[in-house]
Amino acid sequence: AQSVTQPDIHITVSEGASLELRCNYSYGATPYLFWYVQSPGQGLQLLLKYFSGDTLVQGIKGFEAEFKRSQSSFNLRKPSVHWSDAAEYFCAVGANSGYSTLTFGKGTMLLVSP
Amino acid sequence: DTGVSQDPRHKITKRGQNVTFRCDPISEHNRLYWYRQTLGQGPEFLTYFQNEAQLEKSRLLSDRFSAERPKGSFSTLEIQRTEQGDSAMYLCASSLGLDEQYFGPGTRLTVT
Repeated sequence: AQSVTQPDIHITVSEGASLELRCNYSYGATPYLFWYVQSPGQGLQLLLKYFSGDTLVQGIKGFEAEFKRSQSSFNLRKPSVHWSDAAEYFCAVGANSGYSTLTFGKGTMLLVSP
Repeated sequence: DTGVSQDPRHKITKRGQNVTFRCDPISEHNRLYWYRQTLGQGPEFLTYFQNEAQLEKSRLLSDRFSAERPKGSFSTLEIQRTEQGDSAMYLCASSLGLDEQYFGPGTRLTVT
């Protein structure tokens, strides 16, 4: 069975500082990997996805993530955080065949300090 | 493209009552998913449709939960005899094949 671990429940970053959110997954084959962001009262918005190919994936809002198969990780990064990035971030893994239900981590809440 | 919509956005009901939620997917999307999200957790998969066929329903939380997608367009999720433990956000998502899932804003259910 697939699973996702996001070890950090909360992270506080100063505005302008760099950000890295950790995600480790468990999946028996090559996974599809996703990062979603959820702001209060909003639905989940896809930031980026990894299906295959280049292991460094660029997303929206200046985010990127790197797939490391040897570490079963898909960490999310941003070089300079803005106050508007404060939200909850979810990593998810999906099957690459058949139907693609997503298994989500518990999320990391990002707080941005001035 | 108006995105995935869900109705209602909020529902307060008394324990034991039945509730029904509606999801309208992005028009060309053939796959539709229901998830439940409780406080402090990520979304949890419930069920999935491809067109009008419900291809996975083993993850529905109990036999009080049922879902339909009668014409392969909108979908409904019904919870019968609600319990306080059913209080959660119910999310709908749609996709075109195995492409990424687009989520609606959710329906927040409160059972009193």
